[in-house]
Amino acid sequence: EVQLVQSGPEVKKAGESLRISCQTSGYTFNSYWIGWVRQMPGKGLECVGIFYPDDSDSRYSPSFQGQVTISVDKSINSAFLEWNSLKASDTAMYFCVRGGFITIGGFDFWGQGTMVTVSS
Amino acid sequence: SSELTQPPSVSVSPGQTARITCSGAVLSNQYTYWYQQKPGQAPVMLIYKDNKRSSGIPERFSGSGSGTTVTLTISGVQAEDEADYYCQSGDSTDTFQVFGGGTRLTVL
Repeated sequence: EVQLVQSGPEVKKAGESLRISCQTSGYTFNSYWIGWVRQMPGKGLECVGIFYPDDSDSRYSPSFQGQVTISVDKSINSAFLEWNSLKASDTAMYFCVRGGFITIGGFDFWGQGTMVTVSS
Repeated sequence: SSELTQPPSVSVSPGQTARITCSGAVLSNQYTYWYQQKPGQAPVMLIYKDNKRSSGIPERFSGSGSGTTVTLTISGVQAEDEADYYCQSGDSTDTFQVFGGGTRLTVL
């Protein structure tokens, strides 16, 4: 059974750093794209970026390029989303998603979401 | 442009057919995916590669369309189908993924 289990909610202050995690199981981690989707309060879905563990290919949506970093640890089948300096506008729910096998495709499995709250 | 446009809302009575459109230039050469999101829950993939139903999704959900507009059709709408629906596709070079703005389906 494919599972994506995310780390718990975070409350931070503007300017602080943060890394949230996504522990996966039930499939061959290296062979599927894995990514992150943002949902700001009361708003729609936005793709932050995606990562292919096998060759470390990473792709970010223009709005997020340079603002966050996606990484993985293949030894523990986990993905991470990291900020160096949080802004109040980063307050949102972040979902970890599994993409396609080799090609990006759609997102067939989702984590439960990690709520990030940033105070100014 | 990589934008995907959806109507903000659609309303139907139980048993009727709901149609939710998604428009964008990239749809002419990229697959479309559809998701359902209920309040407080993570989204669920309904349709992949334009018209294939994900495992466990009822047959009343279907995807269709060609060119720059695609449609999610929900036949025989039930009260439990009240949710937000999102389309998703890749940009023209498949460098990143984009979502439509979402459509709130209200079952009257």
